[in-house]
Amino acid sequence: GNSVTQMEGPVTLSEEAFLTINCTYTATGYPSLFWYVQYPGEGLQLLLKATKADDKGSNKGFEATYRKETTSFHLEKGSVQVSDSAVYFCALRDDKIIFGKGTRLHILP
Amino acid sequence: EAGVAQSPRYKIIEKRQSVAFWCNPISGHATLYWYQQILGQGPKLLIQFQNNGVVDDSQLPKDRFSAERLKGVDSTLKIQPAKLEDSAVYLCASSLGANTEAFFGQGTRLTVV
Repeated sequence: GNSVTQMEGPVTLSEEAFLTINCTYTATGYPSLFWYVQYPGEGLQLLLKATKADDKGSNKGFEATYRKETTSFHLEKGSVQVSDSAVYFCALRDDKIIFGKGTRLHILP
Repeated sequence: EAGVAQSPRYKIIEKRQSVAFWCNPISGHATLYWYQQILGQGPKLLIQFQNNGVVDDSQLPKDRFSAERLKGVDSTLKIQPAKLEDSAVYLCASSLGANTEAFFGQGTRLTVV
C-alpha cells in the first residue's frame, strides 16, 4: 500500500541555518504530495503542495520539489526563524491522505 | 470563511466510559475525514465520508468506534467503551471533493485514565 517516510526528529538548528527535512513515498499511482505544519497548540495547516512530477510547491520561504524518479518530496528553507519551530508532516494523496510520522523542528535564537 | 469547527477541545474520561466528538466542516465541503493522532505519530485516517456516505472506514475499530454524518454536513465520532490506548488527538478535516485540499480543525484531545 501507499506510505510516507520522513526523517525522524527532533531537528535542532540555529536561526538563519539551512533546513532540509527528507521525505520519500511509496505509491502505486500518481499521488499529490503535501507538507503540513502543526504549530504548538494548533491544528494542521497546509504549508505547500505539488500535484505532479517536477512541480515545485512553495510558501513562507519553504520549498519542495516533486521528484518522481527518486520518489521524494524534501522540504527546504534557506534561512529558518525561531517562529518556524513546529512539527512538519509530509503527506501524499491518492484515494486518501496518508501522513508521515512527523518531524519536530526546534530553532534556537 | 469559517474553518472546520470541532468540539470539545479537551476531554478526560475513565476507561470503559463513552465519549462523542462533534465536527462542523467548512460550508459546501462534500468530503469529511476523521483522523486519530497519537502522541509522536502522524495522523491516521479513521473514516472518510463523501456527503453522508462512507468512502473508507478500513482503519476504524468498529467494535468500539462509530461515526455518522447525517444530512451530509455535521459529523459525530463516538467511542464506546473507551480504552487507555484511545488517548489521542482526534482531528476532523473537510475538502470540497475527494481530490482537493483538506482543511483541518484544531482537534479534540482525549485522555483516557
